[in-house]
Amino acid sequence: QQQVKQSPQSLIVQKGGISIINCAYENTAFDYFPWYQQFPGKGPALLIAIRPDVSEKKEGRFTISFNKSAKQFSLHIMDSQPGDSATYFCAANGNQFYFGTGTSLTVIP
Amino acid sequence: DAGVIQSPRHEVTEMGQEVTLRCKPISGHDYLFWYRQTMMRGLELLIYFNNNVPIDDSGMPEDRFSAKMPNASFSTLKIQPSEPRDSAVYFCASTLGGPRYGYTFGSGTRLTVV
Repeated sequence: QQQVKQSPQSLIVQKGGISIINCAYENTAFDYFPWYQQFPGKGPALLIAIRPDVSEKKEGRFTISFNKSAKQFSLHIMDSQPGDSATYFCAANGNQFYFGTGTSLTVIP
Repeated sequence: DAGVIQSPRHEVTEMGQEVTLRCKPISGHDYLFWYRQTMMRGLELLIYFNNNVPIDDSGMPEDRFSAKMPNASFSTLKIQPSEPRDSAVYFCASTLGGPRYGYTFGSGTRLTVV
């Protein structure tokens, strides 16, 4: 059973555009929701994370929006750049992290 | 800090051979996780340790897989005998205090079994 569902599977965005990746979860006991960024040949790296007591967290061009009642959270990348091209994973914690299936983002110059 | 260190970076082995993957977590971290990543299944948790003790190995696919953590600074994942379907990237990750505080991943070992 997929604990965290992520969409879309792939995303192509023009430079300067907004990239949006969505995730949904089922377990209301989850209390930590990170996003990881992975470049080819590298391990996933923590990008930004949020806890359910806030509805939004912003770090530079990256924003997490969190909707506790809908059990959904999303990553917004503002002013997307070619260097943002990577695979993005959402996750939620229980006694371990449950990862989404990943979104391959390509930012076209 | 050098981060989580995994070795080797790449491993090519013949079916039936024993493979050992190695991981050095970040100093002071008390949790260590082994993940497998494939295109078909994404990131799968294989096993995790807390204070060197295996806590959950329900993700270990078969008895061919085993993992040890003899001390706080070293862990191994062993596959014996290896099969072509074991081909994947294996990641080690560590954290302090548990999953609520985020993981740091190593760069992974790309295993190819031919």
